[in-house]
Parts: sequence; structure tokens; C-alpha cells
Amino acid sequence: GAGVSQSPRYKVAKRGQDVALRCDPISGHVSLFWYQQALGQGPEFLTYFQNEAQLDKSGLPSDRFFAERPEGSVSTLKIQRTQQEDSAVYLCASSLYPGGAGNTIYFGEGSWLTVV
Amino acid sequence: DAKTTQPNSMESNEEEPVHLPCNHSTISGTDYIHWYRQLPSQGPEYVIHGLTSNVNNRMASLAIAEDRKSSTLILHRATLRDAAVYYCILESGGSNYKLTFGKGTLLTVNP
Repeated sequence: GAGVSQSPRYKVAKRGQDVALRCDPISGHVSLFWYQQALGQGPEFLTYFQNEAQLDKSGLPSDRFFAERPEGSVSTLKIQRTQQEDSAVYLCASSLYPGGAGNTIYFGEGSWLTVV
Repeated sequence: DAKTTQPNSMESNEEEPVHLPCNHSTISGTDYIHWYRQLPSQGPEYVIHGLTSNVNNRMASLAIAEDRKSSTLILHRATLRDAAVYYCILESGGSNYKLTFGKGTLLTVNP
């Protein structure tokens, strides 16, 4: 596909369960971002990759959150021991170039996580 | 990160122009001004961006004040499909490369 693809689109997890969310960025895009969006709020930055290097993980809310992009393309966001406050939409985005300065960032439709 | 200020909500009528304002008084010289919008149940969508000069594309126009402390997103003829939350974002790139979203402006378009 031409856009950023995320899976699963919807996930219901029991509290304490581990979840893994997958992102397929646009082919060839160097930069990859993960965002968390709670209901009624704007997206909150979680982490940024340039190729396989995780350059910024300042937004990850706790050590239960872990992201990887081992080959510089597909990325996985893992949440261990999920809690109810983790319920949110998790958005992945990618950009062709590193470093910003006016690059367009393309977002996926998100993975909707509900923790019960 | 430099902050932006936008009205919480605005209303427009279909086929009329819409001017969405954004204040960013602490903008630095290297910050780009981006506008994204988010339709219900979708990820944010790029609208337009600029640095100093006004910009036009097929979706909208971006008017940037001469001192760059404010900008305006202009939708020339609003349609019902333009109803969304519009985010004005400053982006500086480099090691701090990310988009920092605020609350945005909820645009309602009346038929």
C-alpha cells in the first residue's frame, strides 16, 4: 500500500496482558514516530527512530513501553503488563528524510487499544 | 518546544472561506509552521507547512505574519468534509525532530 499501515486496528487486552502493535511505514522512509492519543486529546509523542536507531524515547510513559525497529523498516511498539490507563489510540507515522526541517510526516490510522 | 495557541472551536458555513488562526510568539528562526488535521476516527493528515513565505497548495493556503509570530490557515471554500480538528504545530528538526500537538481547533461546517 501507499500509506502507513498499522495492525491490529483494534485490540482488546485484559489488564496485565502484554500487547504488540505493528507499524509498516511508507517504503523507504527513514524517520518513524509513535504517538499515543487519549480520547478527546491531541496525539502525544512517544518515540522517534531514524532508520534502526531510536534517537528519542523521551515520551515513553514507563518502562512497560518498548519500541523497536530492528531493520530500519517495520516497527513494533510493545506494552507489557497493560493497565487501564494505557487505553488509547496508538499512531505510527513516517517521514522520508531524517531530521525534520519541514518534512511532511504521514500518519497511519492507528491501533485502538482498550484494556479491560 | 515552542508553543502554539489556537481557538478551541470555530464554525463555518459550507462553501464559505475559513480562516483558522494560530499564535506562536516564541517561534525560533528555524521553526517550520505545520498544519495537520484529524477527521474523526482517523490519523492526522498533513495540510500544509511553511517557513517564512505564504504557501498555497491544493488543500489550503498558509499566511505567515511578517514577524512569524502568528499564522493563518485558509480554506478557500469549506465543505462538509473539512470538518475536523486542525492542529498548528512548530517543528524544528534536528535532534528534537517531532511534531508536538496541542489541543487544536475543532472546525464545524454547517450545510
